[in-house]
Amino acid sequence: QQQVKQSPQSLIVQKGGISIINCAYENTAFDYFPWYQQFPGKGPALLIAIRPDVSEKKEGRFTISFNKSAKQFSLHIMDSQPGDSATYFCAASLDTGFQKLVFGTGTRLLVSP
Amino acid sequence: NAGVMQNPRHLVRRRGQEARLRCSPMKGHSHVYWYRQLPEEGLKFMVYLQKENIIDESGMPKERFSAEFPKEGPSILRIQQVVRGDSAAYFCASSPGTGTETQYFGPGTRLLVL
Repeated sequence: QQQVKQSPQSLIVQKGGISIINCAYENTAFDYFPWYQQFPGKGPALLIAIRPDVSEKKEGRFTISFNKSAKQFSLHIMDSQPGDSATYFCAASLDTGFQKLVFGTGTRLLVSP
Repeated sequence: NAGVMQNPRHLVRRRGQEARLRCSPMKGHSHVYWYRQLPEEGLKFMVYLQKENIIDESGMPKERFSAEFPKEGPSILRIQQVVRGDSAAYFCASSPGTGTETQYFGPGTRLLVL
């Protein structure tokens, strides 16, 4: 019940295209859903996050769509650029006094020039 | 404002040796989290510490692993008698305090056990 399932495992998108990464969770007590971006040899960096009281959040080219009834959320990268090539992790947590993040298995995105 | 610092960045140990991983949180942060990332997998929570206190160690293996965050100095993740299965990237994150959800990650320590 603590799992977060992420798909696809890898993704190739042409420059200018839309990248879509999906995640699903089971624990309805989760109340915080961040996305992290990780470049090779680096630590994950927070990209964007959402709480379940909103269905969508947009920051620049990055949008999170959240479907509470389906227990799914997704990351959309509009106008994908080669510099977006990285591994993306979705995560979920519930606030038990701190955020114990449960990560998905990651999606390796390659944006071709 | 310097980010989260971890050292060493790479560590090679032979089976049976000890590994010590250090993490200095961001300035002003008093909460530290350790995660482990196995090859081709997501990060797995290990332990959450505040200064001089272990708050949640539910993700720590029962044996050989320990963590501390002393009043002065960095947080230390210690792995005794390492085995090949301990080979992974170990990430530290920090946050300002309870209720502030953003965790800022360090660059990680890549441990290789020969």
